[in-house]
Amino acid sequence: EAGVAQSPRYKIIEKRQSVAFWCNPISGHATLYWYQQILGQGPKLLIQFQNNGVVDDSQLPKDRFSAERLKGVDSTLKIQPAKLEDSAVYLCASSSLAGGVHTEQFFGPGTRLTVL
Amino acid sequence: DAKTTQPNSMESNEEEPVHLPCNHSTISGTDYIHWYRQLPSQGPEYVIHGLTSNVNNRMASLAIAEDRKSSTLILHRATLRDAAVYYCILRAAPIQGAQKLVFGQGTRLTINP
Repeated sequence: EAGVAQSPRYKIIEKRQSVAFWCNPISGHATLYWYQQILGQGPKLLIQFQNNGVVDDSQLPKDRFSAERLKGVDSTLKIQPAKLEDSAVYLCASSSLAGGVHTEQFFGPGTRLTVL
Repeated sequence: DAKTTQPNSMESNEEEPVHLPCNHSTISGTDYIHWYRQLPSQGPEYVIHGLTSNVNNRMASLAIAEDRKSSTLILHRATLRDAAVYYCILRAAPIQGAQKLVFGQGTRLTINP
């Protein structure tokens, strides 16, 4: 079974530029999550999708971050404009629903963003 | 979200058992105890979870205190590949939509050859 795919793996941009990350979850997984992991900290949930609808985006900085999952499969996370404090690893995860119960989350390798 | 407390770091030797503690004194009756680990330069991976009874799987064992205020992840025979940050996370009962994982700092486990 293929895992969660993310691209790019690394990205370096200047502050105030924009950047986009892509995630392809495990086939058949209805739930998709984006996490931000700052160096030395645990991952923090930014947004959770159930199919193509948003379940939780309470910690997404909506003035600069946006995410979409238009067809309920792939997802993109965008930052515009980027700030220095956005330097982090952005992790995508997915989980499936079995009888109304979510399985464990499967994480991708992450995209390491450096903002200069 | 109920909080967990873990030691910042632990060290063990290869081929020896490792006991990783987690305190969760404010756990509610419906909170499941989940463990994930994150190997260097990788995303977290699921290890094990439980509610009240001790649990075993191919990766580890989870021992849960009778009052559920603490738990211990047990790696029976550590290898160098077990060096990682281990996260103990409380998660509400698995109902649709209530699946947020709140990660703390975790325990950085070092395995000596």
